[in-house]
Amino acid sequence: DAKTTQPTSMDCAEGRAANLPCNHSTISGNEYVYWYRQIHSQGPQYIIHGLKNNETNEMASLIITEDRKSSTLILPHATLRDTAVYYCIASPDNYGQNFVFGPGTRLSVLP
Amino acid sequence: NAGVTQTPKFQVLKTGQSMTLQCAQDMNHEYMSWYRQDPGMGLRLIHYSVGAGITDQGEVPNGYNVSRSTTEDFPLRLLSAAPSQTSVYFCASSYGDRVATEAFFGQGTRLTVV
Repeated sequence: DAKTTQPTSMDCAEGRAANLPCNHSTISGNEYVYWYRQIHSQGPQYIIHGLKNNETNEMASLIITEDRKSSTLILPHATLRDTAVYYCIASPDNYGQNFVFGPGTRLSVLP
Repeated sequence: NAGVTQTPKFQVLKTGQSMTLQCAQDMNHEYMSWYRQDPGMGLRLIHYSVGAGITDQGEVPNGYNVSRSTTEDFPLRLLSAAPSQTSVYFCASSYGDRVATEAFFGQGTRLTVV
């Protein structure tokens, strides 16, 4: 898996968009970018993934730069329940498994 | 549909004891894996399985055994517990017939070895 670099922590005001950056400058062509989050000490929760194109689902949007060296996870209207640790993972097509989790970004959504 | 179920939720062991952490999924997923998470750290892969009868080692396999006799179950065995194995253990599963898919995680087993 390519190494990813994320800010240690970020704050976001409730109702505003949360933009979480991730650097994966050594990503290879067969590696997807996945985002997971972990609320308190619960099991990680899948958010979104992408290869080259930008992706959107009911939870978030994923913007991947054209050179694929970085990406941004966007939570369009953050709520207090979005306070969590967010993990960015660059991983080959392993059927969604066998990830290397870094320390992630601790997002605090403030009222 | 319960998803991924881990038992027990909490466990305290004495050094040298053995035990089995249970993981079961009801989604007919081929892929299953075990991770451990130490305080303030990300998850590290212990063992994984690509289907019944097939297992392989992850990043930190020492001190742990696994087997996969059915699609539904993937137990993790601690052979002789050590304080260094104090951690939170997560089991995950995903489909084996599609690429780049979502993994489902259990709620974790919090293990303390004294």
